[in-house]
Amino acid sequence: DAGITQSPRHKVTETGTPVTLRCHQTENHRYMYWYRQDPGHGLRLIHYSYGVKDTDKGEVSDGYSVSRSKTEDFLLTLESATSSQTSVYFCAISEGSGKLSTDTQYFGPGTRLTVL
Amino acid sequence: KQEVTQIPAALSVPEGENLVLNCSFTDSAIYNLQWFRQDPGKGLTSLLLIQSSQREQTSGRLNASLDKSSGRSTLYIAASQPGDSATYLCAVFGNQFYFGTGTSLTVIP
Repeated sequence: DAGITQSPRHKVTETGTPVTLRCHQTENHRYMYWYRQDPGHGLRLIHYSYGVKDTDKGEVSDGYSVSRSKTEDFLLTLESATSSQTSVYFCAISEGSGKLSTDTQYFGPGTRLTVL
Repeated sequence: KQEVTQIPAALSVPEGENLVLNCSFTDSAIYNLQWFRQDPGKGLTSLLLIQSSQREQTSGRLNASLDKSSGRSTLYIAASQPGDSATYLCAVFGNQFYFGTGTSLTVIP
């Protein structure tokens, strides 16, 4: 497995609270991604990063922000969690060049978030 | 917006059978297509990546084909084993990866 860890692995929180999920990689890959996986929707891209401090929005970015201050860490923040953000969140990494990478993506184990 | 569909949603076969999983997509302007495997409670594992200029890729008992003009890909699994039981996802890359909802495969010993 690619060296990707996510923390926490499970979290239960209440509506309106801020939540930060962390993705850490040891592969020195340039690109990092946050997805959410929901029944009936498959995986959907939230945000991605194409370098330190370089990020862009994905398909479902509303209500989420990200930060990447080091190559190895990519943080996803839910500014004010809502029940619709209950989901499984996956981090992924890839190599490549340019703003978009078409290379193979490698996934972390996921974080199960429940917002009550 | 790209739409990716996988049919059937679930499939159950006896061990040893050859099987085909299907993936269709609406926009043929893609860079590549990737097949993944997901085990329950786990992340995704990449199986095969087919570039848009390629017609197929093979890895062991797996063979994936791509027909970009018709918006279709198939994943062929030969001589299925109980260890192949998992959900199989396809994803196409246009300006980002778009994923299908997967086919849940059960191989019965």
